[in-house]
Amino acid sequence: DTAVSQTPKYLVTQMGNDKSIKCEQNLGHDTMYWYKQDSKKFLKIMFSYNNKELIINETVPNRFSPKSPDKAHLNLHINSLELGDSAVYFCASSPTGETQYFGPGTRLLVL
Amino acid sequence: AQSVTQLDSQVPVFEEAPVELRCNYSSSVSVYLFWYVQYPNQGLQLLLKYLSGSTLVESINGFEAEFNKSQTSFHLRKPSVHISDTAEYFCAVSGNTDKLIFGTGTRLQVFP
Repeated sequence: DTAVSQTPKYLVTQMGNDKSIKCEQNLGHDTMYWYKQDSKKFLKIMFSYNNKELIINETVPNRFSPKSPDKAHLNLHINSLELGDSAVYFCASSPTGETQYFGPGTRLLVL
Repeated sequence: AQSVTQLDSQVPVFEEAPVELRCNYSSSVSVYLFWYVQYPNQGLQLLLKYLSGSTLVESINGFEAEFNKSQTSFHLRKPSVHISDTAEYFCAVSGNTDKLIFGTGTRLQVFP
């Protein structure tokens, strides 16, 4: 049973392209998140949604747009990809105010 | 604002030796504290957490951490490490929002 799943696991693309990463959780949690882990392993929150509503929006370029079609899914769309977007992107979910559970990550490489 | 400091970027240790990974936090509100572990090329797994109650918390694989409010610390310890404990360990804090603030991580390298 995969609790938090992400697709794709790896994504290699050219600068300027648009790409999406999908996240699904089957835990029944109300809140979902996107985090970015850079090449130095530093983890930083990007967004969080509670029951399809945007709650946290850190200082992230507006080329990044999260979309939550329902409370079990939180997708991340990235326009006009840049070299600096190369990172590992983690999705997470939690019951509101409780422990966050992370997906396996999507390794994005922009060439 | 909250912040987390993990003073040691790398901790090398021999198998069966004890280890302590240090974590200090800064916060103006009550906090929840977490340790996550990341094995090579894998996602983050929750190791243990402090939400309230007993200040000493334990994981199923022998790690423990103690919440020390006066020293604003949440150090992770294990009395005897295994090769399989080699991984990146992240301390994290959350306060009155759901946002997790992570430290910069400590790479634990266990040698035979």
